[in-house]
Amino acid sequence: QKEVEQNSGPLSVPEGAIASLNCTYSDRGSQSFFWYRQYSGKSPELIMSIYSNGDKEDGRFTAQLNKASQYVSLLIRDSQPSDSATYLCAVLPNAGGTSYGKLTFGQGTILTVHP
Amino acid sequence: DGGITQSPKYLFRKEGQNVTLSCEQNLNHDAMYWYRQDPGQGLRLIYYSQIVNDFQKGDIAEGYSVSREKKESFPLTVTSAQKNPTAFYLCASSDAPGAGANVLTFGAGSRLTVL
Repeated sequence: QKEVEQNSGPLSVPEGAIASLNCTYSDRGSQSFFWYRQYSGKSPELIMSIYSNGDKEDGRFTAQLNKASQYVSLLIRDSQPSDSATYLCAVLPNAGGTSYGKLTFGQGTILTVHP
Repeated sequence: DGGITQSPKYLFRKEGQNVTLSCEQNLNHDAMYWYRQDPGQGLRLIYYSQIVNDFQKGDIAEGYSVSREKKESFPLTVTSAQKNPTAFYLCASSDAPGAGANVLTFGAGSRLTVL
């Protein structure tokens, strides 16, 4: 079982729709969760972080975390063609105080928003 | 502007050659990381350093070496022992333990191709 697994893509949604990206993780003690967006040929950029169960909203983006189910998701409302990118889920495993910054990444989900 | 500079952006290597990828940051971050990304895959950690003159192996350190002689610099050498070095290499940094410790800032990446 992969440590961090994302829903297989590619995911295609029409402009204005809600895009739903999902991620599961294996380390039950994980505490920090991140969503990065990566445009083709570019480096990842952080779009959301979440640390507590529940929802966290930032503009059109909502991150949802359910630690009991070991599940984190990202919703993109009113999707735009500029949202077309690969979305990477990243998790900080529970490896003690020295583990900071050592994120484990999922394989990414390619999102295409078509006009 | 603060950020991470990686060079070169593109690099070609012949079989049996060692090559060094440069990574410089002016964010005054304590920790620095090297990740590798293969097509359709997430990022995998090669090496990381949380303090000057100290570094640790990540998940895929074989065939790579690093140094951390200065806080702002963390070069990666891809040695001839790395059997499949063609990949996109990403350098990242993060702040000291605390609120920003797990938020990674990435450089633009270096794309290495073996001829």
